[in-house]
Amino acid sequence: KAGVTQTPRYLIKTRGQQVTLSCSPISGHRSVSWYQQTPGQGLQFLFEYFSETQRNKGNFPGRFSGRQFSNSRSEMNVSTLELGDSALYLCARVDREGVREQYFGPGTRLTVT
Amino acid sequence: GENVEQHPSTLSVQEGDSAVIKCTYSDSASNYFPWYKQELGKGPQLIIDIRSNVGEKKDQRIAVTLNKTAKHFSLHITETQPEDSAVYFCAARSTGGGNKLTFGTGTQLKVEL
Repeated sequence: KAGVTQTPRYLIKTRGQQVTLSCSPISGHRSVSWYQQTPGQGLQFLFEYFSETQRNKGNFPGRFSGRQFSNSRSEMNVSTLELGDSALYLCARVDREGVREQYFGPGTRLTVT
Repeated sequence: GENVEQHPSTLSVQEGDSAVIKCTYSDSASNYFPWYKQELGKGPQLIIDIRSNVGEKKDQRIAVTLNKTAKHFSLHITETQPEDSAVYFCAARSTGGGNKLTFGTGTQLKVEL
């Protein structure tokens, strides 16, 4: 079981607006990663957080940002939406031990019109 | 940075046959290689993974092989069933990249009756 809840599941926004997506890993998992999935670019790493600190960031413009709270819930924000931001946004919890496997949530489908 | 190539992009097999999906990576510092299965409308599901100090790993009908010298790894599914139909992604994680996964472009597997 993935053990990751993402809300909302579907979202429609207008170009120029901003959006906030939420990710909640099961209790005790303090590390989360975010990815963007599009038909053209595939799965691309956005950023990762551990204990409220951003540890790594992908090659996305500054319009994409995120944060993590003390309860491990994470949010990502996209400002000034563009049509090309339409995608499935996936959050994964990262296992604390061993090989640090990543388990994905169902994603948030964002459509920008 | 890391680059992962995946072939074929589509694969059609008869039920009961074997399916093989191949990936190559570019970063010699990569040491962890997971495989994900993604069904329509769902997030990627981790199905098997392998670390760089292991050459082969099996889990029932699924196996993964790794050739570090050639920088390629493969997913083998035996006795395919209709429920194996999905998109499969390979990925690689580099030692210097935190938990960032670099994904292949995906293989659409169709198991025909």
